[in-house]
Amino acid sequence: NAGVTQTPKFRILKIGQSMTLQCTQDMNHNYMYWYRQDPGMGLKLIYYSVGAGITDKGEVPNGYNVSRSTTEDFPLRLELAAPSQTSVYFCASSYLEGSETQYFGPGTRLLVL
Amino acid sequence: GQQLNQSPQSMFIQEGEDVSMNCTSSSIFNTWLWYKQDPGEGPVLLIALYKAGELTSNGRLTAQFGITRKDSFLNISASIPSDVGIYFCVRSNAGGTSYGKLTFGQGTILTVHP
Repeated sequence: NAGVTQTPKFRILKIGQSMTLQCTQDMNHNYMYWYRQDPGMGLKLIYYSVGAGITDKGEVPNGYNVSRSTTEDFPLRLELAAPSQTSVYFCASSYLEGSETQYFGPGTRLLVL
Repeated sequence: GQQLNQSPQSMFIQEGEDVSMNCTSSSIFNTWLWYKQDPGEGPVLLIALYKAGELTSNGRLTAQFGITRKDSFLNISASIPSDVGIYFCVRSNAGGTSYGKLTFGQGTILTVHP
């Protein structure tokens, strides 16, 4: 199993551009999550999904959108990039509802200039 | 929101030394987690604690769930270079409709000098 994979690894965006961060897991997990990590801070939850077709907001959803058309994929969309969205983005998945063991991808580093 | 306060923010130690870090909260938790983030990677679960007073070990790591349910500590014995990374205490919102959402502390950055 590859686990949780994320693409791209690094991206530079200009203010106002849009992009999609890709996340795929091959563990057949129902639960998937998107976090952002700012320098010197812990991870903050952006959006999560409990299964295909079901998504909900986390702690910091503004400026982002998600979709979950399949169990495997959970892309994160930035429509109008802003400097405040410069961060490292992590996707995670878990199998059981309420499971403390979330499996994280390697992250996508995004710089908005 | 409920905050987790970790201390120290960073530590610089020599290989072979023991390490201790802790985490406090103003709220009572039912589950304490400790995750580690290696440089350039995503976090990985180290230890999960479920009962007040519980002491759990994982190799050279030992963690305890405070009696008041508002704090936890993590100890690392005989540190080695691969212990380098960021250690997060994490609250699990497991149960009900929480869907396993995690709340992270700000982390303790550990540097180990050979």
